[in-house]
Amino acid sequence: GQNIDQPTEMTATEGAIVQINCTYQTSGFNGLFWYQQHAGEAPTFLSYNVLDGLEEKGRFSSFLSRSKGYSYLLLKELQMKDSASYLCAAVDSNYQLIWGAGTKLIIKP
Amino acid sequence: NAGVTQTPKFRVLKTGQSMTLLCAQDMNHEYMYWYRQDPGMGLRLIHYSVGEGTTAKGEVPDGYNVSRLKKQNFLLGLESAAPSQTSVYFCASSQGGVSQPQHFGDGTRLSIL
Repeated sequence: GQNIDQPTEMTATEGAIVQINCTYQTSGFNGLFWYQQHAGEAPTFLSYNVLDGLEEKGRFSSFLSRSKGYSYLLLKELQMKDSASYLCAAVDSNYQLIWGAGTKLIIKP
Repeated sequence: NAGVTQTPKFRVLKTGQSMTLLCAQDMNHEYMYWYRQDPGMGLRLIHYSVGEGTTAKGEVPDGYNVSRLKKQNFLLGLESAAPSQTSVYFCASSQGGVSQPQHFGDGTRLSIL
């Protein structure tokens, strides 16, 4: 079956760096998304990777390794507003989007 | 910028009742989706539409129906609500298919008693 694995919960300190990992097992692969979802709110798009490597967008970066079925989201200079769930989703060979359950990130002062 | 608007935001139903959730987008997107989100699980696709007048089943379509009579609107219907349908429902839209970012509405929190 198809599966996305990501940690259920992580805790980090304000001002620090945190890396949220995502591994995927899908039938084929056509890209990977990261979304941010604050509690009680809608998911919002963060990044999309289809090629190997690191893409940086301000304090957030996303990395993809297609050979390892692995991605991570890197958040730098953490702020309290970064407390949210981070959803990983992979596009399979049939262009279906497979969603992970999300990683709840707690930021402590 | 309204984006994607869902109505209602909250609703409590009794088992067996019916209701319709409305999703409206003002971005002229072709693709629209209905998801449900349950604790500890990823978003699950209920139905989707690739354009006006078209609909297709997603991962968990049983107990739901949809219609896309106008490009900007995507309706989700529950004909006979069951407690297992208690969930948060999200509508989303995208310009292209699933390789394009999706824009989500704020969700509808639905409880079935």
